[in-house]
Amino acid sequence: GAVVSQHPSRVICKSGTSVKIECRSLDFQATTMFWYRQFPKKSLMLMATSNEGSKATYEQGVEKDKFLINHASLTLSTLTVTSAHPEDSSFYICSASLSTIQETQYFGPGTRLLVL
Amino acid sequence: TQLLEQSPQFLSIQEGENLTVYCNSSSVFSSLQWYRQEPGEGPVLLVTVVTGGEVKKLKRLTFQFGDARKDSSLHITAAQPGDTGLYLCAGARTDSWGKFQFGAGTQVVVTP
Repeated sequence: GAVVSQHPSRVICKSGTSVKIECRSLDFQATTMFWYRQFPKKSLMLMATSNEGSKATYEQGVEKDKFLINHASLTLSTLTVTSAHPEDSSFYICSASLSTIQETQYFGPGTRLLVL
Repeated sequence: TQLLEQSPQFLSIQEGENLTVYCNSSSVFSSLQWYRQEPGEGPVLLVTVVTGGEVKKLKRLTFQFGDARKDSSLHITAAQPGDTGLYLCAGARTDSWGKFQFGAGTQVVVTP
């Protein structure tokens, strides 16, 4: 159990376009989902916390208009990178917390974004 | 911000040797998790420790949570090439409920 999927697994786009990444909890309901960014050989950097039915909470230094997050249901959160630029190229990972076990999070497989 | 310092940053050992990775903080965490991540994939949860002084074993892996819940260690006995990966510790923050603070990670390479 506790499987989290992400789609797409990798995406290449042109500079200036927008890219949407989906994060789904497949076999459980997740009241909270997290979006992270990871640079090569580095640890995970929390970007935002997404709660179902409410606005996402962004970490300091993360542009909310640049990284749009929508948590429409208990099993789906989306991250949209708007007007992507090469510096947005990175590995984006989501995680989901079980509704009843808040201090355990399960990660998706990640999405590799390359902006040309 | 509750910081987690992870050490060492990199560890290269031969198959059959033992290794220990440390995760330290000056702050208290309500729980701590250990993950292993392989290139191009998301982190995979290995264990969650909750109680101060707790020791958990997962086959050849032994996890310990400090009595004060400020530090943790991961010990691997008789390492195998399949243990190669990026090991991450993450603490459940008490200053911001539901959020996790990650250590910088330890890259472990086990050569045959």
